[in-house]
Amino acid sequence: GENVEQHPSTLSVQEGDSAVIKCTYSDSASNYFPWYKQELGKGPQLIIDIRSNVGEKKDQRIAVTLNKTAKHFSLHITETQPEDSAVYFCAAIGGSGGGADGLTFGKGTHLIIQP
Amino acid sequence: EPEVTQTPSHQVTQMGQEVILRCVPISNHLYFYWYRQILGQKVEFLVSFYNNEISEKSEIFDDQFSVERPDGSNFTLKIRSTKLEDSAMYFCASSLPGNRNQPQHFGDGTRLSIL
Repeated sequence: GENVEQHPSTLSVQEGDSAVIKCTYSDSASNYFPWYKQELGKGPQLIIDIRSNVGEKKDQRIAVTLNKTAKHFSLHITETQPEDSAVYFCAAIGGSGGGADGLTFGKGTHLIIQP
Repeated sequence: EPEVTQTPSHQVTQMGQEVILRCVPISNHLYFYWYRQILGQKVEFLVSFYNNEISEKSEIFDDQFSVERPDGSNFTLKIRSTKLEDSAMYFCASSLPGNRNQPQHFGDGTRLSIL
């Protein structure tokens, strides 16, 4: 089955700087890669996703890049703000990629924005 | 914005007892999921459900677990004869139907504590 590795486990950046979180996946058939933000006491909140037919996607200060050949994808947050502090999870769906497939999550990155 | 609702927010149960966790998915979603997150660990897929039957399940989802959509709005996870290791956050998610994977939206979870 799919295996997703995520690095780093903790990332501390100065407010206003950029943050990059990286993930690798094992199943070359995976075709959907969402990123979730989880705040304390809350469920994972989808912040951006990318499909395997796209190399990059951007939404305001957040961008995701995908390298299918190397089987890795990254989350980029620019101009970080205190409210960006949270745990971020990458995920992938392997297999057929259709219907109600379960997500395989990485272990999460605790992003700390230093004022 | 529509959201996934889970009840209760916290459930405390004696080991060996049965517990039912409840979820109200987003109203026009047709795919439903359960995930769990043991404290400090990553989110793990349990089961997906579509058209009144299980679509996919992980190896975690053994015979002590069952899911049901008892009416047009609720989606439940039942754990029979709970064990200490069942203590975790349980998240429900839902997504739109489609022939390729659609974004999954998560509730805020139920914290299950087994004593």
